[in-house]
Amino acid sequence: GAVVSQHPSRVICKSGTSVKIECRSLDFQATTMFWYRQFPKKSLMLMATSNEGSKATYEQGVEKDKFLINHASLTLSTLTVTSAHPEDSSFYICSARDRRGGLFFGPGTRLTVL
Amino acid sequence: AQTVTQSQPEMSVQEAETVTLSCTYDTSESDYYLFWYKQPPSRQMILVIRQEAYKQQNATENRFSVNFQKAAKSFSLKISDSQLGDAAMYFCAYRRADQIFQGAQKLVFGQGTRLTINP
Repeated sequence: GAVVSQHPSRVICKSGTSVKIECRSLDFQATTMFWYRQFPKKSLMLMATSNEGSKATYEQGVEKDKFLINHASLTLSTLTVTSAHPEDSSFYICSARDRRGGLFFGPGTRLTVL
Repeated sequence: AQTVTQSQPEMSVQEAETVTLSCTYDTSESDYYLFWYKQPPSRQMILVIRQEAYKQQNATENRFSVNFQKAAKSFSLKISDSQLGDAAMYFCAYRRADQIFQGAQKLVFGQGTRLTINP
């Protein structure tokens, strides 16, 4: 089946720094990628939808200046958490949609902000 | 807006027994997709089963089957012959079938049900 990777799998950073998370579709072209956030023992909350070559669409309540999303190619989307604070600590998951409409999830990235 | 509700935060079942996880949803759309995803301790989301709303026949995948009641907006998951590897968080999810709008592609998740398998 289709594979989606995320890098890094875990990251620890100091408060005030920026962190970039990559989401890659390894064996297919992803027309759309989605970024989710998941708190412990909670469900996945959609943060934004990104289409290759266009601006991301953010969900209500998600700060677009804080969570920068770039979908520069059909196989790569990046999420940058700018000026990270402890409350940004969470599990971030991406998913990628192929041209047939199949949806595939990455393994997630655990962000800890000290 | 569409919503998905899983009213059972936790469920447990004896190994080899059958368990049913509940899910209800709210939508004004007539055409949509419903999914059950499994999230084991590794946190990797795994698609368990998918149902198209226009299909009356309930979807099945080996030991997993659904009871789709469109009028009642209910979509339960039945796991037969439960195995230790079935232990995980299970999420019910909804997606509109309308492909015209970008936002229609996104999944709406329920709160999740944590399933424990007792040996």
